Amino acid sequence: GAGVSQTPSNKVTEKGKYVELRCDPISGHTALYWYRQSLGQGPEFLIYFQGTGAADDSGLPNDRFFAVRPEGSVSTLKIQRTERGDSAVYLCASSPLQGLNSNEQFFGPGTRLTVL
Amino acid sequence: QKEVEQDPGPLSVPEGAIVSLNCTYSNSAFQYFMWYRQYSRKGPELLMYTYSSGNKEDGRFTAQVDKSSKYISLFIRDSQPSDSATYLCAMSAGVYSGGGADGLTFGKGTHLIIQP
Repeated sequence: GAGVSQTPSNKVTEKGKYVELRCDPISGHTALYWYRQSLGQGPEFLIYFQGTGAADDSGLPNDRFFAVRPEGSVSTLKIQRTERGDSAVYLCASSPLQGLNSNEQFFGPGTRLTVL
Repeated sequence: QKEVEQDPGPLSVPEGAIVSLNCTYSNSAFQYFMWYRQYSRKGPELLMYTYSSGNKEDGRFTAQVDKSSKYISLFIRDSQPSDSATYLCAMSAGVYSGGGADGLTFGKGTHLIIQP
């Protein structure tokens, strides 16, 4: 079946611009996660959704970052007034929270964001 | 000090060797421990999932957790060139959901090279 998909795969923007990154989780997965991975580092947790609500947003670095999941499936990560330090690969993952592999997080390929 | 420490490598070994990868951590609340494999420009893929202390074996892979020492290991037997990748340890406390499906805290990743 289809895995987690993320669009766009690459995004180049200028400092100060607004960007939106989209995640389509595996169908039926209750939980959705956003991570950020900088070059040479492990993924850094940003936010965790259970259904439509954010269960844990403690990883969002500041108020320029915001994420939504209005219908409990697709999620959008929004970054305002982008800075060069926001350049990274943004990874999305989803988890079923029940059944086989209930707690496994399945990752998408990521969106590579470059802020010039 | 970061919550999870992992030697970034690179670690280069000949084909067929036993590989040992490890992580240390400082947060005693962590109960769920995972190992992910990440190929270049791909999302992480779960290899092993362990709850609390003990050993778990799956094919050529063995995961060990020693909570008293805050130390986890992954062993790869009969290593193959296709095992060449970055190996990430990850862990969670399971605060927001059972089974460790919280946002994960990752190590930096160890870059492993298996020489044919």
